[in-house]
Amino acid sequence: AQKITQTQPGMFVQEKEAVTLDCTYDTSDPSYGLFWYKQPSSGEMIFLIYQGSYDQQNATEGRYSLNFQKARKSANLVISASQLGDSAMYFCAMRGGSSNTGKLIFGQGTTLQVKP
Amino acid sequence: GAGVSQSPSNKVTEKGKDVELRCDPISGHTALYWYRQSLGQGLEFLIYFQGNSAPDKSGLPSDRFSAERTGGSVSTLTIQRTQQEDSAVYLCASSFTSGELDEQYFGPGTRLTVT
Repeated sequence: AQKITQTQPGMFVQEKEAVTLDCTYDTSDPSYGLFWYKQPSSGEMIFLIYQGSYDQQNATEGRYSLNFQKARKSANLVISASQLGDSAMYFCAMRGGSSNTGKLIFGQGTTLQVKP
Repeated sequence: GAGVSQSPSNKVTEKGKDVELRCDPISGHTALYWYRQSLGQGLEFLIYFQGNSAPDKSGLPSDRFSAERTGGSVSTLTIQRTQQEDSAVYLCASSFTSGELDEQYFGPGTRLTVT
């Protein structure tokens, strides 16, 4: 079965500094996708970044980068130059598998608070 | 263009009543997903539609839950005889296909409170 684990319930970071949010996953499927979503207090789910299992390079999107270590089954999100607006809940998710329904399997989330 | 919309945004109902939650996906998106998010928790998959058919209903918690999709567009999630443990935010998402590369776009959710 597929599983996503986020071991950090809450994190603090000083404004303008970088922060890493941890995510490990478990799957026996050779092909899968890894996603990070941001959920502010308003409740909407905002897509941040995607990494495919066959991608050779780590994904980057602006201030977001994904530290993908396939052998360790980890897909950590790195946010550089943190801003106050980055305070939110962050979810790691996985998609793929032999059933190929495309459903996302989510971790429990990490609450990030950016301090001024 | 318009994103995924859901209605109502909030619903308060008494235990034992039936409720219907609506999702209007992005036009042209063939895949539609329902998820549930309990307070402070991650999202839990409920059901997946490809067109009007539901090849994966594995996440529906009980036979009180059902869903349908008509015209390959709007979907309705129905909860019969609601219980307090059904209180959660119900989120709908759509994507162009069900492929692993396709981003899922989420709606704003319906907050259901069962009293």
